[in-house]
Amino acid sequence: SQTIHQWPATLVQPVGSPLSLECTVEGTSNPNLYWYRQAAGRGLQLLFYSVGIGQISSEVPQNLSASRPQDRQFILSSKKLLLSDSGFYLCAWSIQWGGLLNTEAFFGQGTRLTVV
Amino acid sequence: AQTVTQSQPEMSVQEAETVTLSCTYDTSENNYYLFWYKQPPSRQMILVIRQEAYKQQNATENRFSVNFQKAAKSFSLKISDSQLGDTAMYFCAFMRGQYGGSQGNLIFGKGTKLSVKP
Repeated sequence: SQTIHQWPATLVQPVGSPLSLECTVEGTSNPNLYWYRQAAGRGLQLLFYSVGIGQISSEVPQNLSASRPQDRQFILSSKKLLLSDSGFYLCAWSIQWGGLLNTEAFFGQGTRLTVV
Repeated sequence: AQTVTQSQPEMSVQEAETVTLSCTYDTSENNYYLFWYKQPPSRQMILVIRQEAYKQQNATENRFSVNFQKAAKSFSLKISDSQLGDTAMYFCAFMRGQYGGSQGNLIFGKGTKLSVKP
């Protein structure tokens, strides 16, 4: 069965420090991968998605970047964190079967990031 | 651009009773999917139910069912026989169909906080 791992679960970082959040998927190949952010009192907002190694699409301009160095690994980064980067970050995956997009997205357990 | 609106920030229901959560959306697409996700205090996002826009029949999953009104762009979630474990944030989400250039990106509403009281 497929599983998704996301770490760390919580993180407190000072303003101006770098960030690296990691997400890996097991039990599947060539998944679509996503990073969402959930700010307090708001719904989830898509930040980045990737349909393959090295292929990253950004949905909103921001202080963050994403990379996909391996098929099942998705990394969210920042060189210098801002206070506004605080939030709950969720990684998700979905997969295509025979060219058809599987419509179900599976989420990791999330990372609560607090920038102080 | 597509938007999803959940007009009820908070709701409560007595255990064993029925509750309906509202969701409306706006799109010019004809091929799309709608979802309800549950986020309990653990913050894990869990798929509750999904509906394909081309299907006229409302989706059901055990105690969960939807009322999908395509013309009205409405997608409500009914929870029957509410249980304490149903206490969570519920998010309505929209996804364009594959022929609309979708890569599986979800557009979420702001959520409804549901409390089930004993």
